[in-house]
Amino acid sequence: GAVVSQHPSRVICKSGTSVKIECRSLDFQATTMFWYRQFPKKSLMLMATSNEGSKATYEQGVEKDKFLINHASLTLSTLTVTSAHPEDSSFYICSAPMMTSGGNEQFFGPGTRLTVL
Amino acid sequence: GESVGLHLPTLSVQEGDNSIINCAYSNSASDYFIWYKQESGKGPQFIIDIRSNMDKRQGQRVTVLLNKTVKHLSLQIAATQPGDSAVYFCAETLDSGYSTLTFGKGTMLLVSP
Repeated sequence: GAVVSQHPSRVICKSGTSVKIECRSLDFQATTMFWYRQFPKKSLMLMATSNEGSKATYEQGVEKDKFLINHASLTLSTLTVTSAHPEDSSFYICSAPMMTSGGNEQFFGPGTRLTVL
Repeated sequence: GESVGLHLPTLSVQEGDNSIINCAYSNSASDYFIWYKQESGKGPQFIIDIRSNMDKRQGQRVTVLLNKTVKHLSLQIAATQPGDSAVYFCAETLDSGYSTLTFGKGTMLLVSP
């Protein structure tokens, strides 16, 4: 199947700093990508839809100035957590849809573990 | 057996047993459903999907059942193996295109040898 990568896989940062997470579709182009966050033993919560060439669409309650999304190309979306605080510590996962024989399927990245000290 | 509490619901089975994981979805308008497997520290992995015009779909060792009347999905895993131990999520969406997915709460499956 298609491959989606994320970088870094884990990051530890100090409170107040900004962290950038990259999501890449390795063997296909994605005009749309999705960003999720997941707390321990909880489900995935959609944060925003990243659109190549236009602004991201944020879910209710997600601060767009806090979580900056840039869909720089058809294979790369970045999520920047600005002025990170300990409550931003979470597992961040991206996904990208691709047409397969079964229809449109979403492929997930391996996730990025963010720990804010 | 199955336990529900403050943590993820957990289903504990013996290797070789058949497992049934249940999910209640929220939107009666959803017409495409997917089961994902998530191992610790990894992203979700596609297992099987079903469209709303079907009530059953079979894959290799897995079967998904859909009951639209009560908005219920189930995932059946035959001859469960230790490698099946993971958290399983159902997800729903309005169509099989680029619509957003809504994930269920998840169930942890523990398979003991």
